[in-house]
Amino acid sequence: LAKTTQPISMDSYEGQEVNITCSHNNIATNDYITWYQQFPSQGPRFIIQGYKTKVTNEVASLFIPADRKSSTLSLPRVSLSDTAVYYCLVGESGGSYIPTFGRGTSLIVHP
Amino acid sequence: GAVVSQHPSWVICKSGTSVKIECRSLDFQATTMFWYRQFPKQSLMLMATSNEGSKATYEQGVEKDKFLINHASLTLSTLTVTSAHPEDSSFYICSATGTTNEKLFFGSGTQLSVL
Repeated sequence: LAKTTQPISMDSYEGQEVNITCSHNNIATNDYITWYQQFPSQGPRFIIQGYKTKVTNEVASLFIPADRKSSTLSLPRVSLSDTAVYYCLVGESGGSYIPTFGRGTSLIVHP
Repeated sequence: GAVVSQHPSWVICKSGTSVKIECRSLDFQATTMFWYRQFPKQSLMLMATSNEGSKATYEQGVEKDKFLINHASLTLSTLTVTSAHPEDSSFYICSATGTTNEKLFFGSGTQLSVL
């Protein structure tokens, strides 16, 4: 099971781009990388998922280098409502995936 | 996207009573459901994994007789906290996956307060 490491906290200001990096040095060949967002007293919410290179959707981009030992979640022009905890998970599609959460990154966006 | 409904959102109970939390996948068949608990300012801690029609697999340190999990159908799993005590007060969250189980869909969570 690939272990993930993220910064505990980050601060940003409205309108800035935020990049959160996750290290997963022992990621397996079949593992996908998935990021979730959690607001207080709510369940996490899926943000984005990727396997390699770059993935972009309407809310974020995910950059994955060729060795896949890390990944970077990029949030363009954050707003106050992006203040949340962000988790990256790695896991195998179709396998006996046991999704274990690390400590996550607490992002605080300031006015 | 896929929706997971979790009820109740919050519950207050007396010590010694049992509480049942339901988790339903509304628009997909959940082959696997996971139950987590989360204390304030901490990450989600996996309690157990349940597959439809089979016994749940509990993580080390989680009492299976205290936290009863039933996954009777592909759309419903329940967690029953038996003989609840104040130390069981926590935020409980369920999640579900479909056939490609690398993406999780979460319920909105249940805040349990045991008096």
